[in-house]
Amino acid sequence: EVQLVESGGGLVQPGRSMKLSCAASGFTFSNYGMAWVRQAPTKGLEWVATISYDGSSTYYRDSVKGRFTISRDNAKSTLYLQMNSLRSEDTATYYCTRVDYWGQGVMVTVSS
Amino acid sequence: DIVMTQGALPNPVPSGESASITCQSSKSLLHSNGKTYLNWYLQRPGQSPQLLIYWMSTRASGVSDRFSGSGSGTDFTLKISSVEAEDVGVYYCQQFLEYPWTFGGGTKLELK
Repeated sequence: EVQLVESGGGLVQPGRSMKLSCAASGFTFSNYGMAWVRQAPTKGLEWVATISYDGSSTYYRDSVKGRFTISRDNAKSTLYLQMNSLRSEDTATYYCTRVDYWGQGVMVTVSS
Repeated sequence: DIVMTQGALPNPVPSGESASITCQSSKSLLHSNGKTYLNWYLQRPGQSPQLLIYWMSTRASGVSDRFSGSGSGTDFTLKISSVEAEDVGVYYCQQFLEYPWTFGGGTKLELK
């Protein structure tokens, strides 16, 4: 059974950093591109970043470019999102996704 | 960026009736390879999004055949035949032809 389990969320002050993790199981992680998608409270879905199966290619939305870094450790079947210089508008539930499978999401709240 | 625009439903929808959700893209999602780079998702209340349809008209694994996708390069429809209680939630279309991936604003389905 495919499982994606996010962790690392919580409350963080503006300007600080946070790193999200997504532990994958039930499939050969190294064969798939992965992405992070977020959803602000009561809002719609917003794509954040994508990484290729081998980590050689990454893509970001403009509003996070230079602040967020998507990465992966295929040996550990884990996806990451390093978030720096966090802003209040980054407050959202962050989902790890293979597109056809989604994690349960992890909440990130940026507030002083 | 490609803008995705979704139509509204005449809620609530009577149980057993059919419902059609429209989505329009600001650029053709038809690739030269013949595939149309459009996904449909359902997000049930309190849950993560679930992939319903990919490549505009291919049902994802385990998805009921009551769901069908159709369209052209810029105009798309998700049809739900015989709406049931488990279909309640917000439906999103999403393009993955080019980055940034973009979602429609969502269409809420309520049951009568």
